Amino acid sequence: QKEVEQNSGPLSVPEGAIASLNCTYSDRGSQSFFWYRQYSGKSPELIMSIYSNGDKEDGRFTAQLNKASQYVSLLIRDSQPSDSATYLCAVGGGRRALTFGSGTRLQVQP
Amino acid sequence: DVKVTQSSRYLVKRTGEKVFLECVQDMDHENMFWYRQDPGLGLRLIYFSYDVKMKEKGDIPEGYSVSREKKERFSLILESASTNQTSMYLCASSQGSGANVLTFGAGSRLTVL
Repeated sequence: QKEVEQNSGPLSVPEGAIASLNCTYSDRGSQSFFWYRQYSGKSPELIMSIYSNGDKEDGRFTAQLNKASQYVSLLIRDSQPSDSATYLCAVGGGRRALTFGSGTRLQVQP
Repeated sequence: DVKVTQSSRYLVKRTGEKVFLECVQDMDHENMFWYRQDPGLGLRLIYFSYDVKMKEKGDIPEGYSVSREKKERFSLILESASTNQTSMYLCASSQGSGANVLTFGAGSRLTVL
């Protein structure tokens, strides 16, 4: 069983819609959770971090964490074609390194 | 405003060659990491270092070694490159003792023929 799981996609949404990206993790001791965006040919860049249960909003992005269900999600409101990228979920636990999922490819159709 | 610099963006090497990938960060971060990224497999941790001369194996250390002689520099070494080490290699750094935000370099795409 993979430690951090994401649907590989592609997830296709029309421009202006809400994109919902999901991630589950296996280590109940995980403490920190991150969403990175990666454009094709580029390195990952941080979008959101979340550490406690509930929602965290930053502009058009909302991260949601449910530790009981071992589930973290990212909502992108008013999706734009420029949001088309691969979104990586990363989880931190007992070591300094993060464990990454394989990513979900998002396509926003104009 | 570049914070994590990987010296080589593209490399082509032959099987059996020794390969050095170098990474430098200018943020005075304690922790440095080497990941490789392959389609469908995501980022997998090779090695990381939390201090000068200190290193810890990640999830896929076989066939790799690392060196950290100065705080700002972390090198990945492939002693004898093989075709299955063809990949994108990403260096990252972070601050502090926990699992904190990583800042990535631009990546080094290695092809082993």
